[in-house]
Amino acid sequence: QSALTQPASVSGSPGQSITISCTGTSTDVGNYNLVSWYQHHPGKAPKLIIYEGYRRPSGVSNRFSGSKSGNTASLTISGLQAEDEADYYCCSYAGSRPYVFGTGTKVTVL
Amino acid sequence: EVQLLESGGGLVQPGGSLRLSCAASGFTFSSYAMSWVRQAPGKGLEWVSVISRSGDSTYYADSVKGRFTISRDSSKNTLYLQMNSLRAEDTALYYCAKDRSFVVGAALDYWGQGTLVTVSS
Repeated sequence: QSALTQPASVSGSPGQSITISCTGTSTDVGNYNLVSWYQHHPGKAPKLIIYEGYRRPSGVSNRFSGSKSGNTASLTISGLQAEDEADYYCCSYAGSRPYVFGTGTKVTVL
Repeated sequence: EVQLLESGGGLVQPGGSLRLSCAASGFTFSSYAMSWVRQAPGKGLEWVSVISRSGDSTYYADSVKGRFTISRDSSKNTLYLQMNSLRAEDTALYYCAKDRSFVVGAALDYWGQGTLVTVSS
């Protein structure tokens, strides 16, 4: 069961926008509109920030947005803030494998 | 307020067994699928297992299939993970997570703080 591929790290200055990619295959990301994204600060519980590819749970900042093209999903963080520094994981439904996580991306705010 | 409280972690020898529990509150436990996700030291998140809201359907990652068993007790609002034949590579922080729908695989909208399992001699 291969993990989805994410860049190991992405960085940006406060106020900038960054995008994290999440590459899967036609059996997971490309075949279902069930990509979710999680923010994980070390030592804390992961937090759902995007589900069904682009929907935000109540209370999540609209600076977070999601999209998908083919087998690749993306998370964009606009107006980058210091509190956004964390690890981010994508996740996709894959039929017999209900959840396949990405390799994770460390976001650094310069 | 949704709360998920894991317990049962600890130090166990290779080949040993451990049962994790997750006490749920703040939502109708029997209406949602529930999952276990783990994070090994210095590694990323890895989905382990999910159980449907009724308990009739269960799914496992290949890495734990045949060794781990997920179950739930709706009368106690508790999720379980029975872990047998433990290996060093099972060492991780184990999170309990609530699926956001009764449908398995929708997304995980609430997570516990995790319980640490260490497999070592």
